[in-house]
Amino acid sequence: EVQLVQSGTEVKKPGESLKISCKGSGYTFTSCWIGWVRQMPGKGLEWMGIIYPDDSDTRYSPSFQGQVTISADKSISTAYLQWSSLKASDTAMYYCARWGGGLGPVLGDVWGKGTTVTVSS
Amino acid sequence: DIQMTQSPSSLSASVGDRVTITCRASQGIRNDLNWYQQKPGKAPKRLIYAASSLQSGVPSRFSGSGSGTEFTLTISSLQPEDFATYYCLQHNSYPHTFGQGTKLEIK
Repeated sequence: EVQLVQSGTEVKKPGESLKISCKGSGYTFTSCWIGWVRQMPGKGLEWMGIIYPDDSDTRYSPSFQGQVTISADKSISTAYLQWSSLKASDTAMYYCARWGGGLGPVLGDVWGKGTTVTVSS
Repeated sequence: DIQMTQSPSSLSASVGDRVTITCRASQGIRNDLNWYQQKPGKAPKRLIYAASSLQSGVPSRFSGSGSGTEFTLTISSLQPEDFATYYCLQHNSYPHTFGQGTKLEIK
């Protein structure tokens, strides 16, 4: 079974750093892009960016470029989303999803359950 | 960026109704469009890919159509479990973009 398992809930203070993770299993992790999607409380879905774990090729939405860093460690089939200095406005649910590149229509087919990030003083 | 305009933003309907949701792209995206269903507290679930292909395991009352700039998601006979929020996603060009969502509520 194809799965993406995300790290747990985070509660942080403004200015702190954070790295959340997304571990893939049940498929060839290096053959598919992994995407990150933000959902602020009560709001819609926003595409943040994607990474190809085999060579770490990355594409960002202009809205998130410079605000977050997407990375991956293919040796442990894990992708990451990282902040160097959190703001209250980063409070949201963050989803990872398989985002294409493999054989067949795998863009956005499998999603993690999400990681809740709360930033509050 | 390609803007995806979804309508309506909310919709009240009854069990058994036929419902149509529309997404319009600000420029042509061929058939590079997916539809998602999201229930409260849950991750989005892909219903339709490539504009009109039904995801395995999704009931056949869901269908998608369109190409270029105009797309529709149709639910032929609403069931109680279909009350949720629906999103379109274009993946033709970067940045990929979602529609703003359609909240489907029980009348």
